[in-house]
Amino acid sequence: DAGVIQSPRHEVTEMGQEVTLRCKPISGHDYLFWYRQTMMRGLELLIYFNNNVPIDDSGMPEDRFSAKMPNASFSTLKIQPSEPRDSAVYFCASSADKISHEQYFGPGTRLTVT
Amino acid sequence: AQKITQTQPGMFVQEKEAVTLDCTYDTSDQSYGLFWYKQPSSGEMIFLIYQGSYDEQNATEGRYSLNFQKARKSANLVISASQLGDSAMYFCAMRVRRGEYGNKLVFGAGTILRVKS
Repeated sequence: DAGVIQSPRHEVTEMGQEVTLRCKPISGHDYLFWYRQTMMRGLELLIYFNNNVPIDDSGMPEDRFSAKMPNASFSTLKIQPSEPRDSAVYFCASSADKISHEQYFGPGTRLTVT
Repeated sequence: AQKITQTQPGMFVQEKEAVTLDCTYDTSDQSYGLFWYKQPSSGEMIFLIYQGSYDEQNATEGRYSLNFQKARKSANLVISASQLGDSAMYFCAMRVRRGEYGNKLVFGAGTILRVKS
């Protein structure tokens, strides 16, 4: 299996622009997670899906952030409008539906908002 | 509430020696899982080892072992024979199942390990 795939790997954008991050989970995994990592706040869970349905979005910072999972093999995290404080590494992860199964992380998208 | 505490922001170890990275957790659930991840400077998150709350034996994976002390709610990672490539950030995490949809991982703040030659 190719693992969790994220695109783009790096994104530099100007404040106010829309940013869309993409993720393809591992085939057969029931859960998909979006995380944000910064030096100040560490690794934060933003939202997660089970069978394409958003289960917990309590970590989404504000209305500028939205996430979708239209099918089992694709998810997006959108920021509109972007702000400099959104600069971070955004990880997507997926896992199977067993407590013993680890989450497999994608390589991350490094977002810089100028 | 579930919480993971890693009290060591940074650790140094001499190459070829063993090192223990501390992790304590807080949960009232009986069934849970504990994980360790490694994040090298390249940024990817690499799964290292898993321990289930009902597992009687401490988990081992090559040079990694998990010192699981359930009564103390600790799940320390032991790396034997440290190598320069072990220099990285290490995260302890806990998964607690909540009903039909609970499958979140709660992460600690991480410990930076530096291996000296």
